[in-house]
Amino acid sequence: DAGVTQSPTHLIKTRGQHVTLRCSPISGHKSVSWYQQVLGQGPQFIFQYYEKEERGRGNFPDRFSARQFPNYSSELNVNALLLGDSALYLCASSHEDILNTEAFFGQGTRLTVV
Amino acid sequence: AQSVAQPEDQVNVAEGNPLTVKCTYSVSGNPYLFWYVQYPNRGLQFLLKYITGDNLVKGSYGFEAEFNKSQTSFHLKKPSALVSDSALYFCAVRTYGNNRLAFGKGNQVVVIP
Repeated sequence: DAGVTQSPTHLIKTRGQHVTLRCSPISGHKSVSWYQQVLGQGPQFIFQYYEKEERGRGNFPDRFSARQFPNYSSELNVNALLLGDSALYLCASSHEDILNTEAFFGQGTRLTVV
Repeated sequence: AQSVAQPEDQVNVAEGNPLTVKCTYSVSGNPYLFWYVQYPNRGLQFLLKYITGDNLVKGSYGFEAEFNKSQTSFHLKKPSALVSDSALYFCAVRTYGNNRLAFGKGNQVVVIP
């Protein structure tokens, strides 16, 4: 079975630009979450989507948005990029039933803002 | 609010010796606890979880962790460390119905040959 796949793997953008990151969950998983991992820190929660609805949002500005599609894939959009948005962006998918609660992560998208 | 503390920045251990990575947590309600490992320039790889039941849980690659409710701890252990265990280890917590994971800052484990 394919794991969580993210694209692209690396990206370089200029300040002020917009970026779209993509994620395909593990087959059968309906929940997708996004995390930002700045160098030297643990991942920080950005969004969670379940069945195409936003279920949670972390402490990130409105420049960050996301959506989930009918096939459960997801996009993370960031507008007006700042240097501080440079990070590894991780997507995770999960079953979200009472026994299968662990999240499985993709390899991440390394975003560099210059 | 939920949070995780991983007090040590780096753990150095000789190959073949026991490895312990410490984690304490804070949540309102019953915790769901997780350990993940991250290799350079890679995503997070799930190792093990505690949801309910036995306090000692076993996971991948010979790792285990012990849940201690009174000490609010979930330390990761491996009886005999390998050089290939050198990586960044993250402890994370969530609660039922709250889908966001709160991660610690991570511990760099260095296994010395």
